[in-house]
Amino acid sequence: DGGITQSPKYLFRKEGQNVTLSCEQNLNHDAMYWYRQDPGQGLRLIYYSQIVNDFQKGDIAEGYSVSREKKESFPLTVTSAQKNPTAFYLCASKQGSDFISNQPQHFGDGTRLSIL
Amino acid sequence: ILNVEQSPQSLHVQEGDSTNFTCSFPSSNFYALHWYRWETAKSPEALFVMTLNGDEKKKGRISATLNTKEGYSYLYIKGSQPEDSATYLCSRAGGTSYGKLTFGQGTILTVHP
Repeated sequence: DGGITQSPKYLFRKEGQNVTLSCEQNLNHDAMYWYRQDPGQGLRLIYYSQIVNDFQKGDIAEGYSVSREKKESFPLTVTSAQKNPTAFYLCASKQGSDFISNQPQHFGDGTRLSIL
Repeated sequence: ILNVEQSPQSLHVQEGDSTNFTCSFPSSNFYALHWYRWETAKSPEALFVMTLNGDEKKKGRISATLNTKEGYSYLYIKGSQPEDSATYLCSRAGGTSYGKLTFGQGTILTVHP
């Protein structure tokens, strides 16, 4: 089945530690996105990528980093500079470039990150 | 309106009731309006993508309308069923961001049998 796989489902971070969230898609989509959800808030965009080896900051990129070395993969690293990393993280992808607005986004099941 | 706002925040209805929720968004530089359904322990799934003023879309018992001039969209559910219980997310593509979506906080619907 085509889809988006996020792993792990739950992740715990110690103080001063970087952690990486995995996102893999086999939908052959060009655009990929990382969102963060906090209680009572809408999804907020962290980073997005339209094509391999290219990515742009979203609204809340500070303390996060990404890479896009393969079309299928868009891992998110939560660095120690992110002071409030506890949240639910969703990865999404979309057919066509980010400039196309009428294609729906497809989401993974999410990763819940907590601080130890 | 500067952000995407959804109302109500939560809603409890009885099985068989019809219900509707509202999404308000900035009307300037509008490109598209997306509705997603997010069931507990699952991933959000797309319901509708609408782009034109006056658009109406329907999928089974769920339908949506769009008014881009005044900046709102309604989502209707006819004859709600317990399996309709979910968070319904509205998001707008617009401004300088063609494809990037700005999400509302969602409406949590609970349908009681």
